[in-house]
Amino acid sequence: EAQVTQNPRYLITVTGKKLTVTCSQNMNHEYMSWYRQDPGLGLRQIYYSMNVEVTDKGDVPEGYKVSRKEKRNFPLILESPSPNQTSLYFCASSLYGGDSTDTQYFGPGTRLTVL
Amino acid sequence: AQSVSQHNHHVILSEAASLELGCNYSYGGTVNLFWYVQYPGQHLQLLLKYFSGDPLVKGIKGFEAEFIKSKFSFNLRKPSVQWSDTAEYFCAVILHGSGNTGKLIFGQGTTLQVKP
Repeated sequence: EAQVTQNPRYLITVTGKKLTVTCSQNMNHEYMSWYRQDPGLGLRQIYYSMNVEVTDKGDVPEGYKVSRKEKRNFPLILESPSPNQTSLYFCASSLYGGDSTDTQYFGPGTRLTVL
Repeated sequence: AQSVSQHNHHVILSEAASLELGCNYSYGGTVNLFWYVQYPGQHLQLLLKYFSGDPLVKGIKGFEAEFIKSKFSFNLRKPSVQWSDTAEYFCAVILHGSGNTGKLIFGQGTTLQVKP
């Protein structure tokens, strides 16, 4: 089944404790992206990747890192989480990025709480 | 800055009522337009999309949307809602042109509550 998976689905942590949220897709998509969803703000892009070893900042990259060593995986890293990073995080992928006509497919979301 | 606005933040309807959710974007160039739905506790699912051609697009579950270029709008409609349509609805846009990266720009979302 074609899908985007994320782990963990729920995470409660404390300020300053490094964490990684994994994202994996099995559709051979080149484009992958991370969004965070906050009430009243919709979804905002954190980072995106057009292909392996190519990553760039979205609208709200502060406090986050990503890597794209393999095509299928795009982990989101919070080196020193803070309470303002409490949010619902979605990973998404599409065949191509840029000016393509592809649909982005979303993972199930990771609800992160930073105490 | 480019943006997407959804005018209705919270809509309450009775079953069988008609639905129209507004969406406007601010960008003068070519766009791809999407409506996504998020059922309680679930991830975003694509309802419908517009890339080119007929500005009236039909999606899943009886939803449709009309792209009116002159009004920069892409309103979502359904003639008769059901209780199972209770969800949050997001309008989103991909901008075409230099410097645009395939990023989906989302509206703030509209929460639809359908009363049985």
